[in-house]
Amino acid sequence: GAGVSQSPSNKVTEKGKDVELRCDPISGHTALYWYRQSLGQGLEFLIYFQGNSAPDKSGLPSDRFSAERTGGSVSTLTIQRTQQEDSAVYLCASSLVGVLGSGYTFGSGTRLTVV
Amino acid sequence: AQSVTQLDSQVPVFEEAPVELRCNYSSSVSVYLFWYVQYPNQGLQLLLKYLSGSTLVKGINGFEAEFNKSQTSFHLRKPSVHISDTAEYFCAVTPRGETSGSRLTFGEGTQLTVNP
Repeated sequence: GAGVSQSPSNKVTEKGKDVELRCDPISGHTALYWYRQSLGQGLEFLIYFQGNSAPDKSGLPSDRFSAERTGGSVSTLTIQRTQQEDSAVYLCASSLVGVLGSGYTFGSGTRLTVV
Repeated sequence: AQSVTQLDSQVPVFEEAPVELRCNYSSSVSVYLFWYVQYPNQGLQLLLKYLSGSTLVKGINGFEAEFNKSQTSFHLRKPSVHISDTAEYFCAVTPRGETSGSRLTFGEGTQLTVNP
């Protein structure tokens, strides 16, 4: 597609429920990143995919968080047993591999509210 | 490892005034530098980047930034701001020369508010 697409744009869930957030990167971008943006804070790295593998998942805050990517394209971030501190905007980005300093293209994010 | 410090969390200015948003970084290796802008309820958009060459780089919407290696700074400037420049601005770095998996490290952001 023309840009990075994320869905849903907004999600309200009850504490303890599981949620799935979806990211559809730019076609041809093999690198995909998930970041979390909490109120009043910067961007916190969660996980990086190269193709379907995740060489760096060091930013996932707990084992309630997991992510997968299939077909080198769409990625899903899953949060199990959501807690109120999970409330944040979850941003996905993709980039070209092999291009120095190409930077990222970001999606518009999913705003998650845990009540 | 890298770290980025944006020295001002909020910058209020009047329309048509000049503005400077400050960014300092720390890194044990050479880095590429970026500025992103985030308008309300949107994702981040690339404003400009420094890879090599001239230390003064020009970006979209009339913004420019100057890389200062000795001071490890990459301050963003605009000579005359508009109401529409109201947004959050993020400075970011990534290690130079890495072509894959190079994670961007972001600062905590600066909220620029342009008042009439």
